[in-house]
Amino acid sequence: IAGITQAPTSQILAAGRRMTLRCTQDMRHNAMYWYRQDLGLGLRLIHYSNTAGTTGKGEVPDGYSVSRANTDDFPLTLASAVPSQTSVYFCASSVDRENSPLHFGNGTRLTVT
Amino acid sequence: GQNIDQPTEMTATEGAIVQINCTYQTSGFNGLFWYQQHAGEAPTFLSYNVLDGLEEKGRFSSFLSRSKGYSYLLLKELQMKDSASYLCAARDSNYQLIWGAGTKLIIKP
Repeated sequence: IAGITQAPTSQILAAGRRMTLRCTQDMRHNAMYWYRQDLGLGLRLIHYSNTAGTTGKGEVPDGYSVSRANTDDFPLTLASAVPSQTSVYFCASSVDRENSPLHFGNGTRLTVT
Repeated sequence: GQNIDQPTEMTATEGAIVQINCTYQTSGFNGLFWYQQHAGEAPTFLSYNVLDGLEEKGRFSSFLSRSKGYSYLLLKELQMKDSASYLCAARDSNYQLIWGAGTKLIIKP
């Protein structure tokens, strides 16, 4: 079934540890995104990629890094986790950034203790 | 600054009609999206408006007025499964999506 796969589904992480959230899509979408969703707030963009080989910073990029080595994969890395990074993380993709809707993965619930 | 406003919570009765409003202020405008998000799940795409007017998709319709910076999502013949959060998002001149915090819709029998 075509779509976006995120892993892990949930994770409890000690502060200071490094963590990579994985995201893979099989729809051959050009654009990919990482969002965090916190209670009472709208989705906030962390990083995005318009196409393989390029990445850009979103609204809240500090403490996070991404790479886009190929079309399908867009991992998000927390170099040294802090409690304020406790959130639900959604990966999304779209055909392009200009007109098409976003398709979301099922999310990763991350708790940093 | 850029901003999306929508009500935090609404309650409606099964079988009825409900309208969820969204106002937006963005630097430029390149379309407005509505998404549905059930608790603990991912947002799923409902509708996209870029021109003024009403777009109808079955029980769901979405309206846009660009001059007023206003949109609404209309849900007819409400079903219990429509209980969810509804997210409004506007695309700005840089094609970045600005998201509202969502409207939690509670459907009562």
